[in-house]
Amino acid sequence: DVKVTQSSRYLVKRTGEKVFLECVQDMDHENMFWYRQDPGLGLRLIYFSYDVKMKEKGDIPEGYSVSREKKERFSLILESASTNQTSMYLCASSRLNYGYTFGSGTRLTVV
Amino acid sequence: GESVGLHLPTLSVQEGDNSIINCAYSNSASDYFIWYKQESGKGPQFIIDIRSNMDKRQGQRVTVLLNKTVKHLSLQIAATQPGDSAVYFCAEIDSGGYQKVTFGTGTKLQVIP
Repeated sequence: DVKVTQSSRYLVKRTGEKVFLECVQDMDHENMFWYRQDPGLGLRLIYFSYDVKMKEKGDIPEGYSVSREKKERFSLILESASTNQTSMYLCASSRLNYGYTFGSGTRLTVV
Repeated sequence: GESVGLHLPTLSVQEGDNSIINCAYSNSASDYFIWYKQESGKGPQFIIDIRSNMDKRQGQRVTVLLNKTVKHLSLQIAATQPGDSAVYFCAEIDSGGYQKVTFGTGTKLQVIP
């Protein structure tokens, strides 16, 4: 069963901490994405990557960075967590011109 | 509890009835469309897709209809079951270049037993 795995379902972090959210896919997909999902705002794209070591800013990249050292792994980094980054974070992967496969999500709370 | 369903339009359907969930898309260049289901506390799950060279596609208990003239997409669920309760949202994809994907905000489906 092919899948996208996010390392944590729930995380609680303190303001100012550096936070790493990990995502691994086993489908050999070229494309990987990080979204955050908030009530009333839907899915908003943070960063995406179309190849190893390649990254592009999405619609809301401020306060975030990413790393893609291997094809199967795409990491989202919160350099200094803030309370407005409390959200559900969703990782997804896809082949070009095909739909996304999403992970189960990480619910991050910053206190 | 899960907050993704807050602030969303809600469709309440009696168990066993058919459900129709609608989505208006905005990009005339979109040529690929997907419906996702998101249950409470989980990530979105692929249900069915359709490409712009088709008007209708059927899956198991689900049918997607595409009307390109009015840029409208619908998801029909036959014989709705309690397990169908979830948030449903559409995605439109412009395959040109680096496939621009736009997600709808979703509709919450509540199935009344």
